[in-house]
Amino acid sequence: EDQVTQSPEALRLQEGESSSLNCSYTVSGLRGLFWYRQDPGKGPEFLFTLYSAGEEKEKERLKATLTKKESFLHITAPKPEDSATYLCAVPPYSSASKIIFGSGTRLSIRP
Amino acid sequence: NAGVMQNPRHLVRRRGQEARLRCSPMKGHSHVYWYRQLPEEGLKFMVYLQKENIIDESGMPKERFSAEFPKEGPSILRIQQVVRGDSAAYFCASSPPSGVATGGYTFGSGTRLTVV
Repeated sequence: EDQVTQSPEALRLQEGESSSLNCSYTVSGLRGLFWYRQDPGKGPEFLFTLYSAGEEKEKERLKATLTKKESFLHITAPKPEDSATYLCAVPPYSSASKIIFGSGTRLSIRP
Repeated sequence: NAGVMQNPRHLVRRRGQEARLRCSPMKGHSHVYWYRQLPEEGLKFMVYLQKENIIDESGMPKERFSAEFPKEGPSILRIQQVVRGDSAAYFCASSPPSGVATGGYTFGSGTRLTVV
């Protein structure tokens, strides 16, 4: 069964303290892995798409990487405004019309 | 350039009433997706529609739930005879035809349904 698992569930960091979020996936024939950011009371906001192992994407303090079994979202010198829930998602091989989301990592950055 | 518009933002219904959730896709987007987010859970796919067509409703509960995307007007997610377990945030997303391949959905801000 296609599945996406994110860890940790919650992460509290001090401003400037770098860390990484993990997304493990099991899907037949990966057709892409997506990262989203979700702020409280809002819909998810698209961040990155990764297609193949070894690929990396960067945006400001965020860098996403992909291996054959997992993806990491690295956060370098985070600021309080980076506090949000970060969601990982993949399209199942059997469907061209939906994506499967992980439960997310709630990131909190203390000033 | 307005994004995906959902209304209402908050909806309170008594058990047994009907809930209607509306979604206007982003300009130029012809594909609409509905997802449900239960408290402390991830987003779950419900249905994928194009104009006047339901393409994939594999995530829709078999009873009480229906969706449409008419030729004119917004997409509607309809929940009949609501129960407490329907309380959740319902998100609509839209995309161009390549949306699933690129992950580039644009989500609305959601409708938070509370059943009392």
